[in-house]
Amino acid sequence: TQLLEQSPQFLSIQEGENLTVYCNSSSVFSSLQWYRQEPGEGPVLLVTVVTGGEVKKLKRLTFQFGDARKDSSLHITAAQPGDTGLYLCAGGNAGNMLTFGGGTRLMVKP
Amino acid sequence: EAGVAQSPRYKIIEKRQSVAFWCNPISGHATLYWYQQILGQGPKLLIQFQNNGVVDDSQLPKDRFSAERLKGVDSTLKIQPAKLEDSAVYLCASSLVRYSYNEQFFGPGTRLTVL
Repeated sequence: TQLLEQSPQFLSIQEGENLTVYCNSSSVFSSLQWYRQEPGEGPVLLVTVVTGGEVKKLKRLTFQFGDARKDSSLHITAAQPGDTGLYLCAGGNAGNMLTFGGGTRLMVKP
Repeated sequence: EAGVAQSPRYKIIEKRQSVAFWCNPISGHATLYWYQQILGQGPKLLIQFQNNGVVDDSQLPKDRFSAERLKGVDSTLKIQPAKLEDSAVYLCASSLVRYSYNEQFFGPGTRLTVL
């Protein structure tokens, strides 16, 4: 069974601060996706990384896939209240089946 | 483009009762997924369909859960009889194809409370 562990589980910060969320596994994945979920809604895809060592930037968000394709990180610069939500990483394998981590619940206070 | 539709949005039942959830995927999406998301956890895949065939149902508790996608479009997920531990949000997702890296689009989910 493939497992993905996210840390921290909860994060409460002030607007303007930087933060990093980690996603770790002992298994290798062919892709790693990051989703954001808001209360009462389904997860929405933020990014997909597929190559070991790959770095992708989406405005203030930077995503990195580990060289061995077992771990990933999400870094947010100058967090804003609109970034508040549940961040989920998901490892993908053949057939587009995803294994989700437990999530990091982020709260950004104004 | 319309998103993934799910109904009902909320359902409260007593244990041992039956319940059914409905999902209408994005038009043209061949692959459909049902996930269970327990409060405080990430979604767990229950079953994956490719058109109207089951690709994977290894994590579906088949003694009480069933799902079908008869015409390769809409899908229903049924629980019979429900247990307290089935309280969760049930998410439906669809993707254009089932190749790796293909984006999955999620519906808003059905929140089930079993009393």
